[in-house]
Amino acid sequence: DAGITQSPRHKVTETGTPVTLRCHQTENHRYMYWYRQDPGHGLRLIHYSYGVKDTDKGEVSDGYSVSRSKTEDFLLTLESATSSQTSVYFCAISESDTEAFFGQGTRLTVV
Amino acid sequence: GESVGLHLPTLSVQEGDNSIINCAYSNSASDYFIWYKQESGKGPQFIIDIRSNMDKRQGQRVTVLLNKTVKHLSLQIAATQPGDSAVYFCAEKFGNEKLTFGTGTRLTIIP
Repeated sequence: DAGITQSPRHKVTETGTPVTLRCHQTENHRYMYWYRQDPGHGLRLIHYSYGVKDTDKGEVSDGYSVSRSKTEDFLLTLESATSSQTSVYFCAISESDTEAFFGQGTRLTVV
Repeated sequence: GESVGLHLPTLSVQEGDNSIINCAYSNSASDYFIWYKQESGKGPQFIIDIRSNMDKRQGQRVTVLLNKTVKHLSLQIAATQPGDSAVYFCAEKFGNEKLTFGTGTRLTIIP
């Protein structure tokens, strides 16, 4: 998986609680992405980063924040989880702004 | 916004036969396309890409065809094997936008 590790792989949390998902890469790639995958919607971009401390919003960024304090780590935070954020979350990396390589995913359930 | 679509959500192919997975896009300005394969419980895996200045690109057992006239992209898999069973996504990129994914086609190989 191109040196990408997501943690945790599975998480169940209660509505209203904060949740942080971590993506760690060993490839020293410049770009990192967070996607969510839901039935009928494919993969939708939440946030992305084009360098340390440089991030931008994707198409479904509401309710999510990100941070990238070093090249290898990209954190996705749900400040107050809602049931609509139950999904499978994928981190991806790329060296250039072209093809992306994905991690194994994190299955998040908000009850 | 414009999005990438797929003609068929499911496709069943006899083992050893060739398979063709289709994808339609609506934005003629798209200049980069990728096919991904996603097996159950795993992240999407890069298969092959093509730029808009090309009509065809071949990889190992896979060929991507791009028809810009009708805005159509296809993935051909030769001599399908059981391991080819997966969901296949096409993705497009145009200008400075990020990759946009279709909803996927599930390919099932019949033994």
